[in-house]
Amino acid sequence: GNSVTQMEGPVTLSEEAFLTINCTYTATGYPSLFWYVQYPGEGLQLLLKATKADDKGSNKGFEATYRKETTSFHLEKGSVQVSDSAVYFCALSPPGAGSYQLTFGKGTKLSVIP
Amino acid sequence: NAGVTQTPKFQVLKTGQSMTLQCAQDMNHEYMSWYRQDPGMGLRLIHYSVGAGITDQGEVPNGYNVSRSTTEDFPLRLLSAAPSQTSVYFCASINSGTGNSYEQYFGPGTRLTVT
Repeated sequence: GNSVTQMEGPVTLSEEAFLTINCTYTATGYPSLFWYVQYPGEGLQLLLKATKADDKGSNKGFEATYRKETTSFHLEKGSVQVSDSAVYFCALSPPGAGSYQLTFGKGTKLSVIP
Repeated sequence: NAGVTQTPKFQVLKTGQSMTLQCAQDMNHEYMSWYRQDPGMGLRLIHYSVGAGITDQGEVPNGYNVSRSTTEDFPLRLLSAAPSQTSVYFCASINSGTGNSYEQYFGPGTRLTVT
C-alpha cells in the first residue's frame, strides 16, 4: 500500500536558519505529492504540491522537488521566521482521475525561536 | 464563502454515548472526507464520499458511520463512543469536478474526548 515517511521532530531552529524536512514515499506509479501546514489550533492548509516527476512546488519561500528516482519530496526554506512555527505534513494521493484520498506522514513540528 | 465548517469545536463523551460530528461546505464540492488526527500518527482517513448518496470506507472506519444526503453536509456518527476514539477530527472537501484542482480544504477540527 501507499505510505509516507517524514523525519521525526520536533525541530527547533533559530530565526533565519535553513530548514529541511525530509519526506520519502512508497506508492505505485506516479502519485501527486503535497506539503500541508497546520498552525496551532487550526486545520490543515495546503502549502505546496507537485503532480509529476521533477516538478518543483513552491509557496511562501518554501520549496520541494518531486524526485522519482529517490521517491522523495523534501521541504526546504532558506530563512525561517518565527511565523513558520507549525506542524508540517507530507502527503500523497494515488495516481488516476478521482483519486483524492490522502495518505499522510506523521508530521514534523517546527519551532522557530527569535 | 465560509469554506468548510465543523461543529462542535470541543466535545466530551462518556463511554457508550453516541453523537454526531457535523461538517458542512459551501463550495459545491463533490468529494468530502473525514480524518482523525492522533499524536505521532498523522491523519488517517475514516470515510469519504464522492457525491450525494455515495460513501465509502477509508483506512480506519470501525466505530463510525456516515451518510451524504446533500452535497453540502457530511456528518460523522459515533454510535457507541469508546476511549480509543479520543482524537481530533477533521473534515475536508475538494472540487473533484475540475480535474486539476488538487487542494483539499480542511475544516478547523473537532476535539473529542471519550472518558
